[in-house]
Amino acid sequence: GQNIDQPTEMTATEGAIVQINCTYQTSGFNGLFWYQQHAGEAPTFLSYNVLDGLEEKGRFSSFLSRSKGYSYLLLKELQMKDSASYLCAVLDSNYQLIWGAGTKLIIKP
Amino acid sequence: IAGITQAPTSQILAAGRRMTLRCTQDMRHNAMYWYRQDLGLGLRLIHYSNTAGTTGKGEVPDGYSVSRANTDDFPLTLASAVPSQTSVYFCASSERSLSGANVLTFGAGSRLTVL
Repeated sequence: GQNIDQPTEMTATEGAIVQINCTYQTSGFNGLFWYQQHAGEAPTFLSYNVLDGLEEKGRFSSFLSRSKGYSYLLLKELQMKDSASYLCAVLDSNYQLIWGAGTKLIIKP
Repeated sequence: IAGITQAPTSQILAAGRRMTLRCTQDMRHNAMYWYRQDLGLGLRLIHYSNTAGTTGKGEVPDGYSVSRANTDDFPLTLASAVPSQTSVYFCASSERSLSGANVLTFGAGSRLTVL
């Protein structure tokens, strides 16, 4: 079966750095997405990786290793507004998105 | 502001009743999707439409139907609601389907409670 694993919840301090991991087992791979979802709101797109390596976008970076079935989202200089759930999703060989359950990130002052 | 509009925002429904969740987008996206989101689970695809006039079944289609008469509208109907359909429903769209960088734009969601 297809599976996306990510931690259920993480806590970090304002101003710090946090890494949210995602491992996947899917039938084929056509890219990996990270979305941010604030409580009670819609998910919004953060990043897309299809090649190995690190993609940097401001305070957020996303890393992919296809051989290890692994990705992480790195958030730097954490702000209180970064408190949200972070969803990892993989596009499989049929171009269907497989979603993880999300990681709830709690930022403390 | 371009985006997706969902209605209603929230609804409490008696079991056995028929319900239609509305979804309209103004971005002229070809593909549209309906997902449900339940605590502890990833988003699950109910139905999708790659282009106007076509629809397809997702991971959890039973008890739901959709139509895509035009590019903008993609309503989701529960013919006879059951308590297990209590969930938050998200409509989403993308410029095209069956491609790599297929970024989804989501509506604000419809919270449905079936009693």
